[in-house]
Amino acid sequence: DTGVSQDPRHKITKRGQNVTFRCDPISEHNRLYWYRQTLGQGPEFLTYFQNEAQLEKSRLLSDRFSAERPKGSFSTLEIQRTEQGDSAMYLCASSILPVGDEQFFGPGTRLTVL
Amino acid sequence: GIQVEQSPPDLILQEGANSTLRCNFSDSVNNLQWFHQNPWGQLINLFYIPSGTKQNGRLSATTVATERYSLLYISSSQTTDSGVYFCAVEGAGGTSYGKLTFGQGTILTVHP
Repeated sequence: DTGVSQDPRHKITKRGQNVTFRCDPISEHNRLYWYRQTLGQGPEFLTYFQNEAQLEKSRLLSDRFSAERPKGSFSTLEIQRTEQGDSAMYLCASSILPVGDEQFFGPGTRLTVL
Repeated sequence: GIQVEQSPPDLILQEGANSTLRCNFSDSVNNLQWFHQNPWGQLINLFYIPSGTKQNGRLSATTVATERYSLLYISSSQTTDSGVYFCAVEGAGGTSYGKLTFGQGTILTVHP
């Protein structure tokens, strides 16, 4: 069991550019989550998938954000027309069961928008 | 949605001291987890403890779900225990169902 992996670990981009992050969950984990953490705060929920279906999106996820999990395995999170306020750590987590199950987190992707 | 409050916000200890971190939550929960976030941002699972008591080495945790709080105990602290400790809960219903809500964290600093 290799754990949750995320790529890239760091991303620096200029305002207005598009960025895409990838998350590979623990194998056989059906539920995949995205969270965002800004400096000095706890992580905040963005969205989650049950297999390939996106079941819920937070109001934090503006129209510039899109997430996919096309084959129920890895997931991508894309941010279009990045803004400085998008600078944050983007964390991915996975779990086996949809409710009440332990979530395991990846190392995160730290985004800096200049 | 469910509210999570952690205390204290900051804690400074000498190596070898014991400490207790508290997490209060506002509603019934399906899940409660304690994490340690290392300096690189990785969230390390300490305990999955929606109720009851667990121990792992120098760390132990207790959740009293009926009174809506959880405690994390660190004994004989070491400098490597430094970092941010988060409590996160999954509410049992409403808008909190199916995802974790995190507290603001406790920043622990252990001096040699």
